[in-house]
Order: sequence, then structure tokens, then C-alpha cells
Amino acid sequence: DQQVKQNSPSLSVQEGRISILNCDYTNSMFDYFLWYKKYPAEGPTFLISISSIKDKNEDGRFTVFLNKSAKHLSLHIVPSQPGDSAVYFCAASARNQGAQKLVFGQGTRLTINP
Amino acid sequence: DAGITQSPRHKVTETGTPVTLRCHQTENHRYMYWYRQDPGHGLRLIHYSYGVKDTDKGEVSDGYSVSRSKTEDFLLTLESATSSQTSVYFCAISENLNEQFFGPGTRLTVL
Repeated sequence: DQQVKQNSPSLSVQEGRISILNCDYTNSMFDYFLWYKKYPAEGPTFLISISSIKDKNEDGRFTVFLNKSAKHLSLHIVPSQPGDSAVYFCAASARNQGAQKLVFGQGTRLTINP
Repeated sequence: DAGITQSPRHKVTETGTPVTLRCHQTENHRYMYWYRQDPGHGLRLIHYSYGVKDTDKGEVSDGYSVSRSKTEDFLLTLESATSSQTSVYFCAISENLNEQFFGPGTRLTVL
């Protein structure tokens, strides 16, 4: 049973436009959400996170939105740049369990076209 | 970048042989994790450690064991490798219950 789902395996966006990546979760115990970016043959790199007490967190070109009632989060990248082309994973954890056991989505491959 | 190395980076082995992967950190972080990445599954937690000699199972722990005798090293052992354990293995570290930082990965092929 997939507790964290990224329903779009791939997304193509023109350079300079906004990229929106989506993620849904089912476990209401999750209280912390993260986005990672991954290039081929490298480990995932942490991008941005959000606690369940917030509904928005912004860091430069990256903004994460959390809708707890819909159990949905999204990552907005604006403006999109060619270097943003990568696989993006959302992840969730329930930190009150004493250790941060991340549950990942399947990933979305983002391609930024010049 | 967090100081995390994994060794070996690539390994090919045969079914039934034991394999040990090593994760080494220079950050003195408390928590260490082992994940595997497979197509269609994202990353899945195998085992994790919350201190020296303190470990626990993750989502896909069958066929794997771990040990942590020093803060800086976390070993993952496949007791008898099977073809289903062909995967890319990532180690991660964290100091708190927030973001985790990942190593470069080990690509393991079991023939």
C-alpha cells in the first residue's frame, strides 16, 4: 500500500515557466514533508521541507504548499531553469515515532525545455 | 554537502554470497539510514540506527542485517544475496528529526 504517491511519472516545462510537482499521502500521522532532487548516478539532494503546522514554505525559487485536509502537497519552481531537470521525490515522516522513517513517493522526472 | 561516503560504489556478486556495504560519515550525526531505490518504488527504508549499537528495522528489512559499532560507520549486510536484491543502495544521515542527507549510492548487481 503506497502511503505517498506521485501520480505523474514525468513532466515537461518550458524554461522560465512555472513547474508544479504534486504529491498525495494517505497516512494522517505524517507531520513532516520533504522534497528531494536527484540527478542520475548521484544521491538525492534535500530541497525544501514543511511541517504540518504550516501550509506554505518558501526558499528562493522553490515553494512547497501543504493542504492537510486534502492530504496533498505540491512543489512550485519558478522560474524553471535547465538545471532543474532531474527526478523529484516527495517524502513524509511521522516524527513523533521517535525516529524519522521517511516514506518516499515514486518520483517525477522533470524536464525543462529551452 | 554532508560528509558521507559509501563503499564500494559498484559491486557485482553471485546469488548466495554474503555482501557488506559500508557507509561512513564525518559529520558525527546521530541517525543513520539505509535505503534501496528501485524503479516504480522510489526509495524504501531497509534499516536505521539511532545511536551506536542501536538499530531497528525499516519497511523492507528481510534478508538484510546492519551493525553500527562506531558513530561514523553503518554497515549493511546481505546475508545470502538474491537477484531481488539487485538495486541501488543509499545511506543517509541526520542529526535531528528533520532533513536527511544522502550518500552517493552503491549499485549492486546479483547474478
